[in-house]
Amino acid sequence: KAGVTQTPRYLIKTRGQQVTLSCSPISGHRSVSWYQQTPGQGLQFLFEYFSETQRNKGNFPGRFSGRQFSNSRSEMNVSTLELGDSALYLCASSSDQETQYFGPGTRLLVL
Amino acid sequence: QKEVEQNSGPLSVPEGAIASLNCTYSDRGSQSFFWYRQYSGKSPELIMSIYSNGDKEDGRFTAQLNKASQYVSLLIRDSQPSDSATYLCASISSGGSYIPTFGRGTSLIVHP
Repeated sequence: KAGVTQTPRYLIKTRGQQVTLSCSPISGHRSVSWYQQTPGQGLQFLFEYFSETQRNKGNFPGRFSGRQFSNSRSEMNVSTLELGDSALYLCASSSDQETQYFGPGTRLLVL
Repeated sequence: QKEVEQNSGPLSVPEGAIASLNCTYSDRGSQSFFWYRQYSGKSPELIMSIYSNGDKEDGRFTAQLNKASQYVSLLIRDSQPSDSATYLCASISSGGSYIPTFGRGTSLIVHP
């Protein structure tokens, strides 16, 4: 089975812009979660989608949003980018809602 | 606030030795525990999961869980330089939200 794929792999944006990241889960996995990883805060849960519905949400501001499509692919959007949003954004898919299989990540740099 | 604590390290062990990585968690309702390995510049990859008290072995890896002490550990036998990475511990509570809490990770260095 192919693994989780994420696009793009690298992004450079400026403050105030918005960005959309994409994730395709492992075939058959209906749960997709998004995480932010920074050296200072570690791996932080953003939200989880299942069957096109947001099932769980972490402690991030409303600038961070996501959605899931009928084929389980998911997108994450960050609006009004801030310098502190620079991070590795990881998508993970799961078949049992617990075991997370991570994609390669999108490295976002906000200037 | 649910927390998972790990010593950031680095933990340095010689090749062939046993590496012992430890993790404590604050939420007594945690029911599922995971160890992930993350190489520098890469994404985390699952090593093992453990749900019951005791030991669980998979090849050179052994996960140990003690719910009374709220303690999870990962032993790596016959450590190899290729095991050098950051090891992340994660827990999931039984409250129904299934939101994993990750530790900050322990950096392991296996030197030849």
